[in-house]
Amino acid sequence: IAGITQAPTSQILAAGRRMTLRCTQDMRHNAMYWYRQDLGLGLRLIHYSNTAGTTGKGEVPDGYSVSRANTDDFPLTLASAVPSQTSVYFCASSETMNTEAFFGQGTRLTVV
Amino acid sequence: GESVGLHLPTLSVQEGDNSIINCAYSNSASDYFIWYKQESGKGPQFIIDIRSNMDKRQGQRVTVLLNKTVKHLSLQIAATQPGDSAVYFCAEPYNYGQNFVFGPGTRLSVLP
Repeated sequence: IAGITQAPTSQILAAGRRMTLRCTQDMRHNAMYWYRQDLGLGLRLIHYSNTAGTTGKGEVPDGYSVSRANTDDFPLTLASAVPSQTSVYFCASSETMNTEAFFGQGTRLTVV
Repeated sequence: GESVGLHLPTLSVQEGDNSIINCAYSNSASDYFIWYKQESGKGPQFIIDIRSNMDKRQGQRVTVLLNKTVKHLSLQIAATQPGDSAVYFCAEPYNYGQNFVFGPGTRLSVLP
């Protein structure tokens, strides 16, 4: 079934540790995104990529990095996790920028 | 800056009744809007979109209305069903269409 796959589905992480959230799509979409979702704050964009080889900063990029080596994969890395990064993280993709996005099932991350 | 907000954070309706979820936006230059539905434990799912050259667009049991004069969107769900229970988000383009900004969401509860 075509779509977006995120891994892991949940994770408990010690503060200070490095963590990479994985995201893969098989729809050959050009654009990909990482959002975090916190209660009362809705979905906030962390980083995005218009096409393979390019990335951009969203609304809340600090503490996160991304790479887009190919069309299908868009990993999100927390270099040194902090408790404020406890959240549900959603990866999404769209055919191009400014078209509807398809979301993964999310990764629930708890930093302790 | 741009902002997207919702008038009502929660909405409870009787099964079979019609639901109306509202959304205000601040950027008069926005030309494209999307409604997403998010069920518990899942990622947001595209419902319907509308471009600024339209006032109304209909889908299956859903209608989106756009009032550019007052910068207001609404999502109407006809004959609301238990499966419609979810959080609904409106989204508009941000950063010259590089990505989308989401409102905080409205939780729709369908009463038996």
